[in-house]
Amino acid sequence: SQKIEQNSEALNIQEGKTATLTCNYTNYSPAYLQWYRQDPGRGPVFLLLIRENEKEKRKERLKVTFDTTLKQSLFHITASQPADSATYLCALSPSGNTGKLIFGQGTTLQVKP
Amino acid sequence: DTGVSQDPRHKITKRGQNVTFRCDPISEHNRLYWYRQTLGQGPEFLTYFQNEAQLEKSRLLSDRFSAERPKGSFSTLEIQRTEQGDSAMYLCASSFRQASTEAFFGQGTRLTVV
Repeated sequence: SQKIEQNSEALNIQEGKTATLTCNYTNYSPAYLQWYRQDPGRGPVFLLLIRENEKEKRKERLKVTFDTTLKQSLFHITASQPADSATYLCALSPSGNTGKLIFGQGTTLQVKP
Repeated sequence: DTGVSQDPRHKITKRGQNVTFRCDPISEHNRLYWYRQTLGQGPEFLTYFQNEAQLEKSRLLSDRFSAERPKGSFSTLEIQRTEQGDSAMYLCASSFRQASTEAFFGQGTRLTVV
């Protein structure tokens, strides 16, 4: 069956450290994968998109990798800050050009000062 | 504010009642999506429109659910004969009609069925 999985356990790290979140998928061949941030009671906010032919993408303190052989994406936040505390969702578009997204369950990140 | 707007933000209803939610997408976006999110889970796709045409519906969307997007502008999602299992956050998103573009989400409508 098709699945997209993220660590369900919360990730707790110290301010200034690098947070690494994992997204694994099975039985999909996505052309691209996206990462979103969601704060409690609010809608998701887009962060980064990486295509299947890209190994790595960066934006300020954020870095995403995409390994289509391992069927895995890693999301890194360097020099983490308490304001980075949120739930992070990975999402892929299963097929075609609909823009429809399939989301993982999200990983909650808590950055402690 | 030119973001995606959803109304109401919160709705409490009694089981068996009908409810309707509205979504106003970003004006130049021709794709509009509805998702449902329960606690501790990621958003689940319900349906999507390209302009006024509803092009895909999830199996999650039972016959009690109906969505419309008249004239390709705002959209409504109606749930008839609500059940407690319908309690969730209903999210609307919009995007451009291109492959691999980001989705812009509204703040959602929190539905509680009592």
